[in-house]
Amino acid sequence: AQSVTQLDSQVPVFEEAPVELRCNYSSSVSVYLFWYVQYPNQGLQLLLKYLSGSTLVKGINGFEAEFNKSQTSFHLRKPSVHISDTAEYFCAVTRYSSASKIIFGSGTRLSIRP
Amino acid sequence: DAGVTQSPTHLIKTRGQQVTLRCSPISGHKSVSWYQQVLGQGPQFIFQYYEKEERGRGNFPDRFSARQFPNYSSELNVNALLLGDSALYLCASSRQPGQGEYEQYFGPGTRLTVT
Repeated sequence: AQSVTQLDSQVPVFEEAPVELRCNYSSSVSVYLFWYVQYPNQGLQLLLKYLSGSTLVKGINGFEAEFNKSQTSFHLRKPSVHISDTAEYFCAVTRYSSASKIIFGSGTRLSIRP
Repeated sequence: DAGVTQSPTHLIKTRGQQVTLRCSPISGHKSVSWYQQVLGQGPQFIFQYYEKEERGRGNFPDRFSARQFPNYSSELNVNALLLGDSALYLCASSRQPGQGEYEQYFGPGTRLTVT
């Protein structure tokens, strides 16, 4: 079985500061990894995904994440945040298979202070 | 192109009642998945349908059921509602199953409140 742990439930940062949202996963099989963003009263939007290849993945809105197999981590980073980045961020994992569910973490609320 | 649409947006039901939630996938998408997101938690997988057949089921009681129609739209039914069923119900569509290769696009959700 797979599981995802997001180590911080809330992360407050000042505008234009860098941010890192931490994610660790557990799985006995190979997996794909994702980060989703959920703005207030909206559904989920895919930020980026790791399928294979380069361990540094670039996504939308200036976000990037690095896959670290030895530490089973997939941390999300942005060098300079904006007020518009205020949202809930979810790390997620799924197995390599044709019809797999996505397992989500509990989420990290990113709040940006002016 | 229109995204994933869900109806209704909000719904209030009483314990013991039954509810039906609806989802229309993006045009050309044949796979639909349903998720339950309780306040303060991440979404939890309920069902996945592809070509009108159930392809996956999460750890939910038999009170939860779903189906997919020939036009690939889907309905989620919940019987004998409990207070704990209060949540945001998300629908996601993709061209095919295979959650890595085929991106899932999420709808805005239906907010269900059970009183």
